[in-house]
Amino acid sequence: KAGVTQTPRYLIKTRGQQVTLSCSPISGHRSVSWYQQTPGQGLQFLFEYFSETQRNKGNFPGRFSGRQFSNSRSEMNVSTLELGDSALYLCASSAVGFEADTQYFGPGTRLTVL
Amino acid sequence: DAKTTQPPSMDCAEGRAANLPCNHSTISGNEYVYWYRQIHSQGPQYIIHGLKNNETNEMASLIITEDRKSSTLILPHATLRDTAVYYCNLKTSYDKVIFGPGTSLSVIP
Repeated sequence: KAGVTQTPRYLIKTRGQQVTLSCSPISGHRSVSWYQQTPGQGLQFLFEYFSETQRNKGNFPGRFSGRQFSNSRSEMNVSTLELGDSALYLCASSAVGFEADTQYFGPGTRLTVL
Repeated sequence: DAKTTQPPSMDCAEGRAANLPCNHSTISGNEYVYWYRQIHSQGPQYIIHGLKNNETNEMASLIITEDRKSSTLILPHATLRDTAVYYCNLKTSYDKVIFGPGTSLSVIP
């Protein structure tokens, strides 16, 4: 099976702009989670989508939003970018089965805000 | 906040076993212990998980204490490619995963 893919891999934006990142989960996986990783804060949970519904949410401002499509692909959007939004954005997919689910991560999108 | 605590860094000689500890004293009955690792800003990679029993796969072994308040990840023969940050997490089926700062393992030639 193909792994989790994320596009684009690298992105440069300026303050005030908005950005949309995309994540394609492993075929058959219905849950997609998003994380932000910065040197100072480590890996922080943004949100999780399952069957097109947000199931869990982290402590991020409303500028961070996401959605999931019927094919389980997911997008996250950051509006009014700030310098502090520069980070590696990771998505992870899981099957959501009987047992607690293993997450499989994509390579990430490196966002730089100037 | 993360429900696990790990030492911030460890060294291991190449070819030796690397034993990475994790404390999770407030673990609840339905929480699984998961281990991931992240090599230099790549996406984290799943290693192993367990509930009560010890587990082994082609990458590592997981030893969970009987009271489930701590666990140890064992890489039996560490190589330079095992240099990474190792994360120990707790998860149930529907909870979000909270990552702590992990343990930075350096494998030394």
